[in-house]
Amino acid sequence: EAQVTQNPRYLITVTGKKLTVTCSQNMNHEYMSWYRQDPGLGLRQIYYSMNVEVTDKGDVPEGYKVSRKEKRNFPLILESPSPNQTSLYFCASSLLGASREQYFGPGTRLTVT
Amino acid sequence: GENVEQHPSTLSVQEGDSAVIKCTYSDSASNYFPWYKQELGKRPQLIIDIRSNVGEKKDQRIAVTLNKTAKHFSLHITETQPEDSAVYFCAASDQKTSYDKVIFGPGTSLSVIP
Repeated sequence: EAQVTQNPRYLITVTGKKLTVTCSQNMNHEYMSWYRQDPGLGLRQIYYSMNVEVTDKGDVPEGYKVSRKEKRNFPLILESPSPNQTSLYFCASSLLGASREQYFGPGTRLTVT
Repeated sequence: GENVEQHPSTLSVQEGDSAVIKCTYSDSASNYFPWYKQELGKRPQLIIDIRSNVGEKKDQRIAVTLNKTAKHFSLHITETQPEDSAVYFCAASDQKTSYDKVIFGPGTSLSVIP
């Protein structure tokens, strides 16, 4: 089944404790992206990647890191999480870029206390 | 950079009526305009999209119109049904060299009253 998976689905952590949210897709998509969703603000792009070893900042990259060592995986790293990073996070992928349909993962609900 | 505004933020219609959601964008270079539907507790899913060389696109009860001169595009849902209740997001994408960035609007919460 073609899909985008994320882990964990729910995470409660404390300020400053490094964490990684994994994202994997099995559709051989070139483009992957991370978004955060907050009430009233819609989906805001954090980072995106056009291909292996190619990443670029979205609109809200501060406090986040990403890597794209393999085509199928695009982990999101929070080196020192803060409470303002409490949010719902979505990973997405598309075949050739943002000008194509994006397939979203199920989301990760992160709470930083 | 690109900015996408979306109105209204909430919309309530009677079942069978039409619903219209409007978005404006700021970057005239934007060339791809998708609409995503997000049901409660679910992930966003594409319902329709339009490219800058087309003025209108339809898919059954859903249609999208684009006015590039005015830099706005709209989602039209006819004969609304309770299952249309969801949050709808518009977006604008600008392909610059080999990198793509996409900006979403803040969303419209649509409620269809049976």
